[in-house]
Amino acid sequence: GDSVTQMEGPVTLSEEAFLTINCTYTATGYPSLFWYVQYPGEGLQLLLKATKADDKGSNKGFEATYRKETTSFHLEKGSVQVSDSAVYFCALSGPMGNTPLVFGKGTRLSVIA
Amino acid sequence: DAGVIQSPRHEVTEMGQEVTLRCKLISGHNSLFWYRQTMMRGLELLIYFNNNVPIDDSGMPEDRFSAKMPNASFSTLKIQPSEPRDSAVYFCASSNRGQGYGYTFGSGTRLTVV
Repeated sequence: GDSVTQMEGPVTLSEEAFLTINCTYTATGYPSLFWYVQYPGEGLQLLLKATKADDKGSNKGFEATYRKETTSFHLEKGSVQVSDSAVYFCALSGPMGNTPLVFGKGTRLSVIA
Repeated sequence: DAGVIQSPRHEVTEMGQEVTLRCKLISGHNSLFWYRQTMMRGLELLIYFNNNVPIDDSGMPEDRFSAKMPNASFSTLKIQPSEPRDSAVYFCASSNRGQGYGYTFGSGTRLTVV
């Protein structure tokens, strides 16, 4: 079945450091890809998405590019802030988004001042 | 729009008691998903509905768990009887299946069974 593999955390970075969280997937067809973020004590929030190959999703300084050839959707940010500390989840769904999201296990990011 | 609303936010109950978790969908959304989150197992999909109809409940751990959608905007997840291993954060999420662009999650219910 479809699956998502994320790098294991926790990841600890200093403020203004460059962030990469790796995500690879296994799926039939051409899934839609997502990054969700969960702040302490809250539910998951959609951070960005991409629905076809070579699409780049971006939001709040975060970016991820849908790479079909490497089945990857790595999350990047050029300069992290303390407020970015959270758990980040990579996810995929069917091409029309009409199947349940399959989530990775999440990667905890801690940014220290 | 108020978003997906879950209640209660926190629930502490004794083993053997019945627990009911509630979820109000975003207006216009027609898919509803219940997830459970624990440190050990991460996010697990329990059950999902399309247009009020349960589509897949294979993630429901045991017969003690049941979920309903009495109408298009509301769902309940019931655990009867509850056990300590049911302690987790339970999330519901809704989506507009036609748009197909991800979910909106509620803030979750933190359940502790003692």
